[in-house]
Amino acid sequence: DGGITQSPKYLFRKEGQNVTLSCEQNLNHDAMYWYRQDPGQGLRLIYYSQIVNDFQKGDIAEGYSVSREKKESFPLTVTSAQKNPTAFYLCASSMPKGYRTEAFFGQGTRLTVV
Amino acid sequence: DQQVKQNSPSLSVQEGRISILNCDYTNSMFDYFLWYKKYPAEGPTFLISISSIKDKNEDGRFTVFLNKSAKHLSLHIVPSQPGDSAVYFCAASAAGGTSYGKLTFGQGTILTVHP
Repeated sequence: DGGITQSPKYLFRKEGQNVTLSCEQNLNHDAMYWYRQDPGQGLRLIYYSQIVNDFQKGDIAEGYSVSREKKESFPLTVTSAQKNPTAFYLCASSMPKGYRTEAFFGQGTRLTVV
Repeated sequence: DQQVKQNSPSLSVQEGRISILNCDYTNSMFDYFLWYKKYPAEGPTFLISISSIKDKNEDGRFTVFLNKSAKHLSLHIVPSQPGDSAVYFCAASAAGGTSYGKLTFGQGTILTVHP
C-alpha cells in the first residue's frame, strides 16, 4: 500500500527548541518536497530534493533545514531561528516525467509553538 | 511575487449547478497546470491536470480550461455536489531549468456546495 507518511500528526514545541518532522515515502519517487500552509496564503515551498544527497531551498527556507540521505526519507527540522513556526506542514513526493509533475501529499503535521 | 493567483477566496454554489474556479499565472515558463482538492487537516489530493499544448481536459464531472494568451485557467465542476465542498488549489510547473519538478501553488479557493 504505497503512500507518504508524515509523523507526528500534531506537534507542540516550546520557543527556542528545534523540532524534526518526519516524512517517509514508499512510492519510489525521486523528488520530495516540504510545503507550509498558512491561512489565506496557500502552500509555500520550503525545501525540495530531486535526488538523494541533494536538495535546494524553496521560497521560504530561512529557519528550516533538511537532509536527504535515503530516497525514502526527507526529514524537516524547524529551528529556533524560524520566527513564526506555527503552521500546517505538508510533505510531498513526485516522479517528474518530462514536463509532468503530479505530486502526492502526506496527511500533514500541525506544529504549534507554545 | 505571487506567480500563481486565485483571486476568489471563496465560492458558494447550489447543488446541481456549475462551479467555476479561476486561476491566473504570470510566469510564461509554466507549461503544466494542476488542480488539487484539500479537506481541513488533510493533505491535498490531485484532481486533474492540463499541459500547455492543450486548451481543455475533461475527467468525469471535472473540466479544466487553459487560455495561454491570457495566462488563465479554470476548473469547471458539473454538476456540483455537497461532497465537493473543500479548498481547491491550482498549481503550475515548468519543464526545465532549476524549476524542474517544482510546483507553485495559488492561495486556494474555498468551495461550498449547498444542498
